[in-house]
Amino acid sequence: NAGVTQTPKFQVLKTGQSMTLQCAQDMNHNSMYWYRQDPGMGLRLIYYSASEGTTDKGEVPNGYNVSRLNKREFSLRLESAAPSQTSVYFCASSPGEIGGANVLTFGAGSRLTVL
Amino acid sequence: DQQVKQNSPSLSVQEGRISILNCDYTNSMFDYFLWYKKYPAEGPTFLISISSIKDKNEDGRFTVFLNKSAKHLSLHIVPSQPGDSAVYFCAASEFMDSSYKLIFGSGTRLLVRP
Repeated sequence: NAGVTQTPKFQVLKTGQSMTLQCAQDMNHNSMYWYRQDPGMGLRLIYYSASEGTTDKGEVPNGYNVSRLNKREFSLRLESAAPSQTSVYFCASSPGEIGGANVLTFGAGSRLTVL
Repeated sequence: DQQVKQNSPSLSVQEGRISILNCDYTNSMFDYFLWYKKYPAEGPTFLISISSIKDKNEDGRFTVFLNKSAKHLSLHIVPSQPGDSAVYFCAASEFMDSSYKLIFGSGTRLLVRP
């Protein structure tokens, strides 16, 4: 059971380049999320998708775009990478059902370095 | 302004003793609180949760306590084991605009010494 799969695991970009981080889940979850983790900052929400066909901004959306391609897949795009976007990116999914703790299941992360 | 705060960046305890990790929050509308554990080069994994209407939840060696009046929760690990060495994140669940979001603290790095 794969859970949440992210690709690539590592990426080095030059300032101004673009790239897309891919995420897929096989748990039939409704909601998907993108977080970034920086030292001393914890996990900060970039964008999320409560259900297929919807996307919303999180805490730090500037410089990013997302696409909820279908129920399984949620991609994160950097159109013009900046050194401030050097971070570890985590995709997560959750059932998104009303009531309950809404536990998120995370992928293994994608480490991005922007030079 | 951070809505979920973990004020201790690190904690070191002896194997077999109790580990207590603390978390404070500001938003009284949070309905659930969760703890996640993260090993290096892996994604966070869910550990335990507590509803805002409870004051305690226990799962094996892990117990979470919630003090709503103080807007404070804590995770107790008894007894602590070397394999518990990891970064622990406190998170609060917010249901708004027909969707859930998890807001995380900055994490506490726990080291359990053999």
